[in-house]
Amino acid sequence: GNSVTQMEGPVTLSEEAFLTINCTYTATGYPSLFWYVQYPGEGLQLLLKATKADDKGSNKGFEATYRKETTSFHLEKGSVQVSDSAVYFCALIPSNAGGTSYGKLTFGQGTILTVHP
Amino acid sequence: DTAVSQTPKYLVTQMGNDKSIKCEQNLGHDTMYWYKQDSKKFLKIMFSYNNKELIINETVPNRFSPKSPDKAHLNLHINSLELGDSAVYFCASSQATRGRSGYTFGSGTRLTVV
Repeated sequence: GNSVTQMEGPVTLSEEAFLTINCTYTATGYPSLFWYVQYPGEGLQLLLKATKADDKGSNKGFEATYRKETTSFHLEKGSVQVSDSAVYFCALIPSNAGGTSYGKLTFGQGTILTVHP
Repeated sequence: DTAVSQTPKYLVTQMGNDKSIKCEQNLGHDTMYWYKQDSKKFLKIMFSYNNKELIINETVPNRFSPKSPDKAHLNLHINSLELGDSAVYFCASSQATRGRSGYTFGSGTRLTVV
């Protein structure tokens, strides 16, 4: 079946440090890949996405590149801020040759990020 | 305007009670979902409806019954609540033909069973 594996947290960084959260996936074909963020006490927000190999998703200084050869979608940010403290989820929707997708959005286990001033 | 709204935001109830959580989306999407987030933050899909038709039904106890009166609403009714049902429940929506664009989530309902 489809699955997503994220690096274990929690991750604790100082402000302006470089961030990498690793994500690898198992799926057939070309799934769509996502990073969602959950700020304390809130719901999930889509942070970025990529739908085909070598695509780079980016938003709010975060980036992730769809690597088919390594089945990875690592999240990076060059300089984190205290306001980036949140839980980050990598996720996938499987590919569907028919064009419509009822595929489940399958999540990794989440990585808690804490940024200190 | 909130895109996906859930009510209530918090729900505290005793074991054995029956409760409902409501969800509405104003995005014009045709597919809606319920997810459960446990205390370790793990998210697992429970149900999915497309145009009022059940299309995903994961291994969920029969005490959980979703109802979709129209494609903009998906409610979750839970009978005979148990301590293990305590979690945060998220509603989400997407457009099936653009499902690969991701889902839009509500802000969650924190259910506490005492």
